[in-house]
Amino acid sequence: KAGVTQTPRYLIKTRGQQVTLSCSPISGHRSVSWYQQTPGQGLQFLFEYFSETQRNKGNFPGRFSGRQFSNSRSEMNVSTLELGDSALYLCASSGPLTGKRGNTEAFFGQGTRLTVV
Amino acid sequence: AQTVTQSQPEMSVQEAETVTLSCTYDTSESDYYLFWYKQPPSRQMILVIRQEAYKQQNATENRFSVNFQKAAKSFSLKISDSQLGDAAMYFCAYRRGSGGSNYKLTFGKGTLLTVNP
Repeated sequence: KAGVTQTPRYLIKTRGQQVTLSCSPISGHRSVSWYQQTPGQGLQFLFEYFSETQRNKGNFPGRFSGRQFSNSRSEMNVSTLELGDSALYLCASSGPLTGKRGNTEAFFGQGTRLTVV
Repeated sequence: AQTVTQSQPEMSVQEAETVTLSCTYDTSESDYYLFWYKQPPSRQMILVIRQEAYKQQNATENRFSVNFQKAAKSFSLKISDSQLGDAAMYFCAYRRGSGGSNYKLTFGKGTLLTVNP
């Protein structure tokens, strides 16, 4: 069973540009979450998509957006990049729900390392 | 809002010895899940162990076990017979239960574990 795939693995962008990151979840999983990881702030939740709908959103500016497609693949976009956006962006997929308590585990991709210069 | 605190930024252990990583959390929810994730230098987050709050029995996975104290809101990870491959950053994470409708994880700042040969 293929794991969570994030592309690209590494990215270098210039301040002011925009960037799109992609995440393909495990087959059958309908929930995709995005996290930003920096040395200073640690792991912070960006947003979660479930069946093409944003179900949760973290405390990030509107420059950070995302979407999910009908095949559950998700993209995350950051516009007007700032130096502080340099981070490892992790995607996690979860589900499907089975039984009363459902599937509680989140499986992570290897991340996209974004550097803004 | 839920918070997760890991008070040990760094820990070290001798190979074959036992080490315990601490985690406390704050929540007003009664239904939730707790996790320990491992992040090696490859940066991929790997689930080590999980605990459902409604279960009184502490979870165990091979050399990994937890001490879950619900009243004290404490969730420590014990690694027995430490191996060099256990060296990594360990994150404690919290997730609301709510019937599986919320996959957002709240992470602690992490504990960097070094295993000395």
